[in-house]
Amino acid sequence: ETGVTQSPTHLIKTRGQQVTLRCSSQSGHNTVSWYQQALGQGPQFIFQYYREEENGRGNFPPRFSGLQFPNYSSELNVNALELDDSALYLCASSLGGGQGIYEQYFGPGTRLTVT
Amino acid sequence: DAKTTQPNSMESNEEEPVHLPCNHSTISGTDYIHWYRQLPSQGPEYVIHGLTSNVNNRMASLAIAEDRKSSTLILHRATLRDAAVYYCILRRPNSGYALNFGKGTSLLVTP
Repeated sequence: ETGVTQSPTHLIKTRGQQVTLRCSSQSGHNTVSWYQQALGQGPQFIFQYYREEENGRGNFPPRFSGLQFPNYSSELNVNALELDDSALYLCASSLGGGQGIYEQYFGPGTRLTVT
Repeated sequence: DAKTTQPNSMESNEEEPVHLPCNHSTISGTDYIHWYRQLPSQGPEYVIHGLTSNVNNRMASLAIAEDRKSSTLILHRATLRDAAVYYCILRRPNSGYALNFGKGTSLLVTP
């Protein structure tokens, strides 16, 4: 069974640029969630995709957007990068859409640095 | 969402049991108690979850107070690999797509 994978591992971008991060979910999982983790903080929920549609969003501006594909893999896009966007971006896959009882399986994350 | 309170940090000796507490005095009847941990430089990892009864799995045990206002994650024999930040999270079926991590408890395990 393949776990959650993310690419790239590290990324350096300049303020104002755009970035796309990618996530492959664990086999059989139909739901993908994205989190942002600043240094020394717990992960913060960005949004979740279930069956190719966004079905939940945290307190993040519209310049954070995403996609889910028919194979349940997902992308996180961030436009107009700001210095505060520097963080570890985590992808998690699970079953069940908005069901609150299924555990989420996390990838290793993408470390984004904005200069 | 109901909130959880955990100590900022705890320390344990290797091969000794560790009891990680979590207070959730405003928990509702349908909230599940989940625990995740995050090892250094890794994504969070699911540990265990429960509703009312105590739960055991290969990683840990979860002891839930009778009034459900608190719970304790028990690592029966701490190893150096258990050094991580442990998060106690409440999840409600059909309304909780997000994991609200909070700050968690940083566990230090010393040889």
